[in-house]
Amino acid sequence: GAGVSQSPRYKVAKRGQDVALRCDPISGHVSLFWYQQALGQGPEFLTYFQNEAQLDKSGLPSDRFFAERPEGSVSTLKIQRTQQEDSAVYLCASSPSPWGTPTDTQYFGPGTRLTVL
Amino acid sequence: TQLLEQSPQFLSIQEGENLTVYCNSSSVFSSLQWYRQEPGEGPVLLVTVVTGGEVKKLKRLTFQFGDARKDSSLHITAAQPGDTGLYLCENNNDMRFGAGTRLTVKP
Repeated sequence: GAGVSQSPRYKVAKRGQDVALRCDPISGHVSLFWYQQALGQGPEFLTYFQNEAQLDKSGLPSDRFFAERPEGSVSTLKIQRTQQEDSAVYLCASSPSPWGTPTDTQYFGPGTRLTVL
Repeated sequence: TQLLEQSPQFLSIQEGENLTVYCNSSSVFSSLQWYRQEPGEGPVLLVTVVTGGEVKKLKRLTFQFGDARKDSSLHITAAQPGDTGLYLCENNNDMRFGAGTRLTVKP
């Protein structure tokens, strides 16, 4: 595909429901990142995958958040028992090189806007 | 975690004016990236700066990286309404972003 795609673009959940957010990175990209962006703020790092390995999950705010990338391509971010404070835009980004390559470029998807009522 | 501070938080100017926004860190960057984000979209990379003292130009945008690699600035000349957006800096060490400067350019 031409870029990173995310689905759904909008998700409304009732408090306590589980949600799953999907990211389709650019084909062949090694690295995949998830970010959470609250209204009016910059993106906050959640987790990083190099191929299928989750190498950093230090930004996940609680054990209700879980991410996977089982075949090193598509990734899913799952949030269990959603809370109102989970309302945010969830951004996915991919890049062709491993984390830390100085001049590497992250390509972002349009995000999924999650609203928890 | 390396803290990034961006200033100002908000900036509203008239078309044709010049402006500068800043990104400062508590420690040295290995490299730094500037992005612009428009509503409903993900951030889009503008530039990567790597070398202390580096200056890069992208049309009306001029990016500077401080000599000590702890700060960076973005200067826009003759701003246009199309420049409106959230300008973000990102530390390439840890892929963390600043809170951004929200720029509005009024026609």
